[in-house]
Amino acid sequence: QIVVTQSPSASGSLGDSVMLTCTVSRGYSTFAIAWHQQQPGKGPRYLMTINSDGSHNKGDGIPDRFSGSSSGTERFLTISSLQGEDEADYYCQTWGTGIQVFGGGTTLTVL
Amino acid sequence: QVQLVESGGGLVKPGGSLRLSCEASGFTFSDYYMSWIRQTPGKGLEWISYISSRGVSMYYADSVKGRFTISRDNSKNSLFLQLDSPRVEDTAVYYCARGRKEVAGSSPGQCDHWGQGALVTVSS
Repeated sequence: QIVVTQSPSASGSLGDSVMLTCTVSRGYSTFAIAWHQQQPGKGPRYLMTINSDGSHNKGDGIPDRFSGSSSGTERFLTISSLQGEDEADYYCQTWGTGIQVFGGGTTLTVL
Repeated sequence: QVQLVESGGGLVKPGGSLRLSCEASGFTFSDYYMSWIRQTPGKGLEWISYISSRGVSMYYADSVKGRFTISRDNSKNSLFLQLDSPRVEDTAVYYCARGRKEVAGSSPGQCDHWGQGALVTVSS
């Protein structure tokens, strides 16, 4: 069964870059994933979809500071020039016929 | 622009029933997969159901299978979730979300637009 795994927390300083990781379970290395951001007290916001070859497609209005990449079963979200508003929970999601799956989320703290 | 607006949340007793609605605008609703996702207070996101563009196929998470029913009315650009026999642990904010445009052999894809959520509280 497909599972996506995330580290529960990450941190970075204002102006720095941070990379968040989503790992797809073994046997599903060709699966695409999506990243979503949830700021405190708000609903989720779609950021981008990352394919297994590293190509990615962003949602409407997502700044260039957000980028994606891939290696094997890992899918990465890189946020550069960290801003205070980036402090949020980040969820990865994948899907197949009959199922959609979310990771447990990564809480990003901006120092 | 794409908009999804949930309604129908509120307080319901265990074993009761409640119907959530999601009104869509800004896109051709009948072309897209649609999903319901929930979030328990202080916890992460949990997918609970999705439906194909014409309402032919519906899928559910094990946690709600047999108790919740997803449906849609493409003539009214609306998605629904019927909660029957809810339990205290079904208390959550329920979000509707748009999947991708359905083509033959496709799967629901990423949730690329989300509603603002509807709070459902199950309590006696």
